Amino acid sequence: EIVLTQSPATLSLSPGERATLSCRASQSVGSYLAWYQQQPDQAPRLLIYDASHRATGIPARFGGSGSGTDFTLTISSLEPEDFAVYYCQQRSDWPITFGHGTRLEIK
Amino acid sequence: EVQMVESGGDLVQPGGSLRLSCAASGFIFSGYPMHWVRLAPGKGLEYVSAISSDGDSTYYADSVKGRFTISRDNSKNTLYLEMGSLRAEDTAVYYCARAADFGSGKFYLDSWGQGSLVTVSS
Repeated sequence: EIVLTQSPATLSLSPGERATLSCRASQSVGSYLAWYQQQPDQAPRLLIYDASHRATGIPARFGGSGSGTDFTLTISSLEPEDFAVYYCQQRSDWPITFGHGTRLEIK
Repeated sequence: EVQMVESGGDLVQPGGSLRLSCAASGFIFSGYPMHWVRLAPGKGLEYVSAISSDGDSTYYADSVKGRFTISRDNSKNTLYLEMGSLRAEDTAVYYCARAADFGSGKFYLDSWGQGSLVTVSS
């Protein structure tokens, strides 16, 4: 099973700042990695697929990069609605696995 | 509009059974693989199970293999999850999600239901 390790577990920033979230895979997943955002009591939302492609309707301030084992989700300038939990997920191999999440909180 | 509505969540005793349903609308249900993912209290997202678009292939997380069964009825646009031998650690919100291929041959979960709460407790 491919293990995804996300860091940091919690990130405290202010609106307008830049956020950088990391996801590291225990073995190469190529570019088959996604990022999801989950607000409290809401369903997850797909942000990024294939490591760097924004899903439909996702604002341009969200960007994904990386390949192999190291991936980054960047939010260029935080809006109030961006404070949430973010998960990475790999689709390279079964079983599908998620990271444990990064909680982005308001400083 | 793509929509999925889960139902069937409830309070059940350890060892008990439950069936979750996910009613889909707004897209050609028979054209998409479907997944179940859960979120336990204080935990992160966990993949549970997946089924191919025609229902011929199924996949399970080790934690539920042998206890849960995924199925679908394409004539009713509905996905199911039969849950048996339930344990306290199965307590979670269960989401159904549509899996879409954006061109790479890999499927990502692009639309999700709002979830159904399953509580396993005596």
